[in-house]
Amino acid sequence: AQSVTQLDSQVPVFEEAPVELRCNYSSSVSVYLFWYVQYPNQGLQLLLKYLSGSTLVKGINGFEAEFNKSQTSFHLRKPSVHISDTAEYFCAVSLPNTDKLIFGTGTRLQVFP
Amino acid sequence: ETGVTQSPTHLIKTRGQQVTLRCSSQSGHNTVSWYQQALGQGPQFIFQYYREEENGRGNFPPRFSGLQFPNYSSELNVNALELDDSALYLCASSGGVVAEAFFGQGTRLTVV
Repeated sequence: AQSVTQLDSQVPVFEEAPVELRCNYSSSVSVYLFWYVQYPNQGLQLLLKYLSGSTLVKGINGFEAEFNKSQTSFHLRKPSVHISDTAEYFCAVSLPNTDKLIFGTGTRLQVFP
Repeated sequence: ETGVTQSPTHLIKTRGQQVTLRCSSQSGHNTVSWYQQALGQGPQFIFQYYREEENGRGNFPPRFSGLQFPNYSSELNVNALELDDSALYLCASSGGVVAEAFFGQGTRLTVV
């Protein structure tokens, strides 16, 4: 079975500061990895995904993530955050070609002016 | 290209009642997945439909059931509602670009 752990439930940060949201996963087989963002009262929007190949993945809104197989991690980073980045961020995994996502519990990113 | 739309956006039901939630998938997508997101939690996979057949189910009781129609839209039905069924129900469609699911805005169900 697969599982996802998001180590921080909340991450407060000041505007224009860098941020890292941590994600670790558990799986005995290869998985696809995802980060989704959820703004208040909305559905989920895909930020980026890792399927294979280069371990550094760039996504929308200036976010990037790095897949680390040895540490089973897929941490999300942004060098300079904006107020508009305030949202809930979910890390997820799926088995290849299934589209069945297993989500972590989420990290609330709060950006302060 | 139309997005994923869910209806209704909000509803309130009484314990023991039945509810039907609807989802229109994105154009060109043949797979619909349903998720339950309780307050403060990540979404939990309920089940998935591929070309009108159930294609996998999460750890939810049989009173959660679904349908997918020939146009790939889908319904989620929940019978004998319980208070713990109060949640945001999300629909995701896929089947276009590999490993890319598009989510609707969700239906907020409150059971009282």
